[in-house]
Amino acid sequence: DAGVIQSPRHEVTEMGQEVTLRCKPISGHNSLFWYRQTMMRGLELLIYFNNNVPIDDSGMPEDRFSAKMPNASFSTLKIQPSEPRDSAVYFCASSPRVLSNQPQHFGDGTRLSIL
Amino acid sequence: GESVGLHLPTLSVQEGDNSIINCAYSNSASDYFIWYKQESGKGPQFIIDIRSNMDKRQGQRVTVLLNKTVKHLSLQIAATQPGDSAVYFCAGNYGGATNKLIFGTGTLLAVQP
Repeated sequence: DAGVIQSPRHEVTEMGQEVTLRCKPISGHNSLFWYRQTMMRGLELLIYFNNNVPIDDSGMPEDRFSAKMPNASFSTLKIQPSEPRDSAVYFCASSPRVLSNQPQHFGDGTRLSIL
Repeated sequence: GESVGLHLPTLSVQEGDNSIINCAYSNSASDYFIWYKQESGKGPQFIIDIRSNMDKRQGQRVTVLLNKTVKHLSLQIAATQPGDSAVYFCAGNYGGATNKLIFGTGTLLAVQP
């Protein structure tokens, strides 16, 4: 079975540009999570969706960040405008059922560098 | 200026030895725990999980122990191999009506050949 698929794997862009990260969760999974990982702060939850509905976005740093899940098989995380401090590895994860204590399965991340 | 990053605890073991990685948690409402392995350039990979109605669970070469009294979790890896070198994270659920996880800061396991 295919795991969580993220694209692009690497993104280098100049500050001020719009960045869009993409995620395809595991088929049949009902929950999707976006995380950010840095050396300074470790792994941080940004936002998560249950059944395509955003449930908790309290981890989103500021209004420059937005996330959507238009259908069960696709989600995007957008940063506009991007800043150098947004440089990090961004992970998407999915889990099978809502509130069922199932493990989250992670993609291999997008390594984002803002110059 | 000087930057400060997370200082990852490091466990260095000889190939073939057993490894024990420890994790303490503080949320009394957590009733589900997971261990993840993260290799360089990859996402965290699920290893094993345990629910609070158990105190021990075994997988292939791995065992997770849960002590709810002292809020402590450990991962034991038998006959550690070079391929086990990675950062290991414990995670626990928040409890209640949310499926968010709380992640630890991680432990770097370095296996010496």
